[in-house]
Amino acid sequence: SYELTQPLSVSVALGQTARITCGGSNIGSKNVHWYQQKPGQAPVLVIYRDTNRPSGIPERFSGSNSGNTATLTISRAQAGDEADYYCQVWGSSSAEVFGGGTKLTVL
Amino acid sequence: QITLKESGPTRVKPTQTLTLTCTFSGFSLSTSGLGVGWIRQPPGKALEWLALIYWNDDKRYSPSLKSRLTITKDTSKNQVVLTMTNMDPVDTATYYCAHSYYGSGHFDHWGQGTLVTVSS
Repeated sequence: SYELTQPLSVSVALGQTARITCGGSNIGSKNVHWYQQKPGQAPVLVIYRDTNRPSGIPERFSGSNSGNTATLTISRAQAGDEADYYCQVWGSSSAEVFGGGTKLTVL
Repeated sequence: QITLKESGPTRVKPTQTLTLTCTFSGFSLSTSGLGVGWIRQPPGKALEWLALIYWNDDKRYSPSLKSRLTITKDTSKNQVVLTMTNMDPVDTATYYCAHSYYGSGHFDHWGQGTLVTVSS
């Protein structure tokens, strides 16, 4: 089965740029989606199909995908960006797959 | 405006069958290209995809749980039902339903989730 690997945690200074990676075999050939989840809340889609932002998501959120790594980039990080972030792809065996999640801390 | 809401028991006993209903509004599952999926999250753990059903009744299941899951839709009622057999304490989780798109697979609208505890 297809697997996605995310770092357990990422820290970023307030106002700086955070990068959260999602690793998978030839992930660059797949559509990657990213979700933000704050404690006690349902996930929110922040990037879909590698680079697209849903309406209402700040331009500070961007995505890229190439080779074996997809990346969610959060520019000018704010305290409100502290959350868990999950990547997701349509994997093999016609199954959706989520990464293990990354906890973003804004210092 | 798309909304989804999960409903079902908050507690089930081991070996019992769980039945969850997702009631949605703002779209129809008779519309080409649309789907509804179920995702769960054990306390303090990661998201886990369970199942998806599309407008054309195409159904997809998590390979690891396929033998225990059934997903159905009632287009007239705007509902999707997930059943999971032989529940175990490790199945304790918040269960979410979410709106999706065929071919892309992203979930752009989620329900609030419902916590299901498996305990005797």
